[in-house]
Amino acid sequence: DAKTTQPNSMESNEEEPVHLPCNHSTISGTDYIHWYRQLPSQGPEYVIHGLTSNVNNRMASLAIAEDRKSSTLILHRATLRDAAVYYCILRPSTGNQFYFGTGTSLTVIP
Amino acid sequence: NAGVTQTPKFQVLKTGQSMTLQCAQDMNHEYMSWYRQDPGMGLRLIHYSVGAGITDQGEVPNGYNVSRSTTEDFPLRLLSAAPSQTSVYFCASSSPSRAKNSPLHFGNGTRLTVT
Repeated sequence: DAKTTQPNSMESNEEEPVHLPCNHSTISGTDYIHWYRQLPSQGPEYVIHGLTSNVNNRMASLAIAEDRKSSTLILHRATLRDAAVYYCILRPSTGNQFYFGTGTSLTVIP
Repeated sequence: NAGVTQTPKFQVLKTGQSMTLQCAQDMNHEYMSWYRQDPGMGLRLIHYSVGAGITDQGEVPNGYNVSRSTTEDFPLRLLSAAPSQTSVYFCASSSPSRAKNSPLHFGNGTRLTVT
């Protein structure tokens, strides 16, 4: 099973950009990179996903390395509501097991 | 749009009791799954289903049973509760048939305490 590695925790000042890294050196060519976040006392929610190209949506941007062995979730202006645990996972194009690691706990400092 | 609904929100059991955690989704998703989340840990996959009548084991299936008689419902049964099963349980669904990169939609969880 493809696994991901993320820092346990990160801090950011409010209104500054945040770059959350993820390593996935065993990724296969057809695995999608998904990011989820979990606010306190809630279930995880989908943030963004990509395969090879960088992606943008209203929540964040996803930058994918050319060799696809790493990716970075970018929050352009951190707010206090962005304080959460962020999970980077690999979604295989075949098979249906999504495996979550321990994620990165993001603290946003006012 | 209700999405994924889990009941109950909270439950306390005594060791040895059995119970069923309910999960229902109204998005016609064929894929459903159960995760548990222990303090300070990520989510671990218990069981999953790719459609009615089809279930399979995840990382930590022992002590849990599932069935999938309809597309909408995917209950998780604890046969004989143990303190090690104290956790927060999340149900999630997606629709890989519509898009191979279909994301997971999660419920708000059931917090289970076994004494």
